Amino acid sequence: ILNVEQSPQSLHVQEGDSTNFTCSFPSSNFYALHWYRWETAKSPEALFVMTLNGDEKKKGRISATLNTKEGYSYLYIKGSQPEDSATYLCAFLIQGAQKLVFGQGTRLTINP
Amino acid sequence: DAGVTQSPTHLIKTRGQQVTLRCSPKSGHDTVSWYQQALGQGPQFIFQYYEEEERQRGNFPDRFSGHQFPNYSSELNVNALLLGDSALYLCASSQQGLHEKLFFGSGTQLSVL
Repeated sequence: ILNVEQSPQSLHVQEGDSTNFTCSFPSSNFYALHWYRWETAKSPEALFVMTLNGDEKKKGRISATLNTKEGYSYLYIKGSQPEDSATYLCAFLIQGAQKLVFGQGTRLTINP
Repeated sequence: DAGVTQSPTHLIKTRGQQVTLRCSPKSGHDTVSWYQQALGQGPQFIFQYYEEEERQRGNFPDRFSGHQFPNYSSELNVNALLLGDSALYLCASSQQGLHEKLFFGSGTQLSVL
């Protein structure tokens, strides 16, 4: 059974502070790692798709790193803003499979 | 360009009934995946359709079935509803291959009483 773990489950951060959270996944048969942002009352929105060990992706104030050998990815948010409040989901894709296995998400709340 | 659309947005059913949920993929996408999201959990993969065939299936019973039409739209059917089927059902579309990011609809909230 493939298990994708995200930590922490929830996080409260002051506006302007930077934060990061973790996604852990099996290190064998890796194919890709996805990050999604899911704001309340909206649809999940893709942030990054990462495929190579050592990958670093950036989108505005949000960036992500990938370590496939040890099975983890970090998502960083610099200078948090209230609009960053959302649940952040990571999802793992194994080689030869068609299904994404999602973690349970990290719920981020930015306090003004 | 309309994104992924799902209908209905909310649905209330009773145990034992059957339900059909619908999804239209983003324009240009040929692959549709269905996910179930129960409270406090991440989305769980139900199945994926490509070229009108079920390409892969998650760990869901046969009560969950689906269909993809020639225009790439898709339906999810659930028979003999159980209380535990209450969840948010998400449809996601992509171009062939899941190394491409998914585009999600806003989901159908199903309540089984």
